[in-house]
Amino acid sequence: QVQLQESGPGLVKPSQTLSLTCTVSGGSIRSDNYYWSWIRQPAGKGLEWIGRIFTSGSTNYNPSLKSRVSLSLDTSKNQFSLKLTSVTAADTAVYYCARAYSNYETNWFDPWGQGTLVTVSS
Amino acid sequence: SSEMTQDPAVSVALGQTVRITCQGDSLRSYYASWYQQKPGQAPVLVLYGTNNRPSGIPDRFSGSSSGNTASLTITGAQAEDEADYYCNSRDSSGRHWVFGGGTKLTVL
Repeated sequence: QVQLQESGPGLVKPSQTLSLTCTVSGGSIRSDNYYWSWIRQPAGKGLEWIGRIFTSGSTNYNPSLKSRVSLSLDTSKNQFSLKLTSVTAADTAVYYCARAYSNYETNWFDPWGQGTLVTVSS
Repeated sequence: SSEMTQDPAVSVALGQTVRITCQGDSLRSYYASWYQQKPGQAPVLVLYGTNNRPSGIPDRFSGSSSGNTASLTITGAQAEDEADYYCNSRDSSGRHWVFGGGTKLTVL
């Protein structure tokens, strides 16, 4: 079955760019049926959707993060990536990647990666 | 603030039935999906669409929707159901996805 694994630096300095990659195994990232998404969760808090990317490369972002976030695909490596610029301590969180499905009446995330903790600190 | 509202905490006696709700205007047009998260683990999809369970999710989990409220019902709650539960759907524009604030379920 499809599995996702996040990777990237666990520590980022304030004002710098957070960069994470999600490697997909057991299935192709080029599937037309799915979106690929990032979600984050600060310690002790709830889930926050960051954005999604389709196999065409079209993207959609959380309006609260739109000015700082970008997602991209690397189909040759079966990976997708997140970049978040100008980070502050408020961006410290566990970051999850997930496969998403969406149609005219609903959307869901399945499966999820295990998550990776990113701390923003000098 | 979230466009979808959940009660922060709910408790249920072992073996009893509990309903966890999610309220939001977008739920009049879109179905919610539901996720279970246990401490230190990634969320797991438990319900999606009208009332669909992924493979491996027990049939004691069921979903419903009425007006601006989506519900997750656990019939005969078990100790292993103690977890945080999150709903997800669209925002008021219908273009962006959004999570509810989460409900901590305690099984007594």
